[in-house]
Amino acid sequence: DAGVTQTPRHEVAEKGQTIILKCEPVSGHNDLFWYRQTKIQGLELLSYFRSKSLMEDGGAFKDRFKAEMLNSSFSTLKIQPTEPKDSAVYLCASSFGTNNYAEQFFGPGTRLTVL
Amino acid sequence: QQKVQQSPESLSVPEGGMASLNCTSSDRNFQYFWWYRQHSGEGPKALMSIFSDGDKKEGRFTAHLNKASLHVSLHIRDSQPSDSALYFCAASSNNYAQGLTFGLGTRVSVFP
Repeated sequence: DAGVTQTPRHEVAEKGQTIILKCEPVSGHNDLFWYRQTKIQGLELLSYFRSKSLMEDGGAFKDRFKAEMLNSSFSTLKIQPTEPKDSAVYLCASSFGTNNYAEQFFGPGTRLTVL
Repeated sequence: QQKVQQSPESLSVPEGGMASLNCTSSDRNFQYFWWYRQHSGEGPKALMSIFSDGDKKEGRFTAHLNKASLHVSLHIRDSQPSDSALYFCAASSNNYAQGLTFGLGTRVSVFP
């Protein structure tokens, strides 16, 4: 069974650019999460979809971050415009279940560097 | 303030030794707890869940939950070099819209 796939694995952007990160969840999973990981803040939730409906849009991240689920097997995270402080690892995770404490399966992440 | 706090920040353990990690929540709505482990260059991977008071053992890993004090611990016995990783405690409530809240992690290093 394929796990969560994320592309690209590494991305370098200039300040002000628009970048799009991609995620394919585990087949059959109905929950999808986007997180940002930094050493200072740890894992911060950016967006949470349940059966393609947006449950959580990350509050403080609303301005320049937009996640979409185009279908049940594909999601994107757009950052527009990028800033140097956005440099981090972006993780996508999926889970299956009707509650919010099911095991989450994570992808390998995309390491973003903004110059 | 982090709703899920972990200690220590880092831990060095001899191979074959015991590692003990702690996690405390400040939110009484949190009822369900997970431990995740992340090796360098990979995404986190679930180790085990614990939802009831008491101990839960899975192989070399034992988790303990005390809901009254909102304290969770993870003990790794007979530590192996492959246990060197970043360990996260994660918690959730019954609010299905919130998902999991993660702590900042404990870095475990197992030395020969």
